[in-house]
Amino acid sequence: DAKTTQPNSMESNEEEPVHLPCNHSTISGTDYIHWYRQLPSQGPEYVIHGLTSNVNNRMASLAIAEDRKSSTLILHRATLRDAAVYYCILRDNYGQNFVFGPGTRLSVLP
Amino acid sequence: DGGITQSPKYLFRKEGQNVTLSCEQNLNHDAMYWYRQDPGQGLRLIYYSQIVNDFQKGDIAEGYSVSREKKESFPLTVTSAQKNPTAFYLCASTAWGGSGTEAFFGQGTRLTVV
Repeated sequence: DAKTTQPNSMESNEEEPVHLPCNHSTISGTDYIHWYRQLPSQGPEYVIHGLTSNVNNRMASLAIAEDRKSSTLILHRATLRDAAVYYCILRDNYGQNFVFGPGTRLSVLP
Repeated sequence: DGGITQSPKYLFRKEGQNVTLSCEQNLNHDAMYWYRQDPGQGLRLIYYSQIVNDFQKGDIAEGYSVSREKKESFPLTVTSAQKNPTAFYLCASTAWGGSGTEAFFGQGTRLTVV
């Protein structure tokens, strides 16, 4: 599985948008971009995933660069419950395992 | 409700003992995974299984063993050969069929060697 690079930590104010970046310069044409988040002492939970086009769901939006070498997870209005570690992961059609990096620790300030 | 269940939530083990962590899913998922997480670190893959009676080693399989006798169950045994077993263990499952499917995770088992 290809590697991703994320900032170690980010900070946001409550009710403001948050843009979490992810670089994946070695992404292949069949790799999907997945985002998960993990609250303290809990298992990761799915946030969103996409292949080429931008994606929206009730939790977040995923903006994918045209060359697919980077992507951004967008939380439109951060809440205190969004404070978590966010993982950006690439997954291809052949590999059945998810490879997790250290992720980005998001702090949300009231 | 469908989901993935890990038990127990907390587990204490004496040095030299084997211990088995349970993972059950009722999502009809084909693939199941075990990860280990140390404090402040990401998840590292121990074992994964794509179908019943078949499993593959991940990055840190030494000192661990698994079985996949039923589609719903993927227990992990931490053996006495694992030198530093104290960690947070997470089980996950996905449907078969490629990279567009999301993974579901259990709530984890925190293992402490005493």
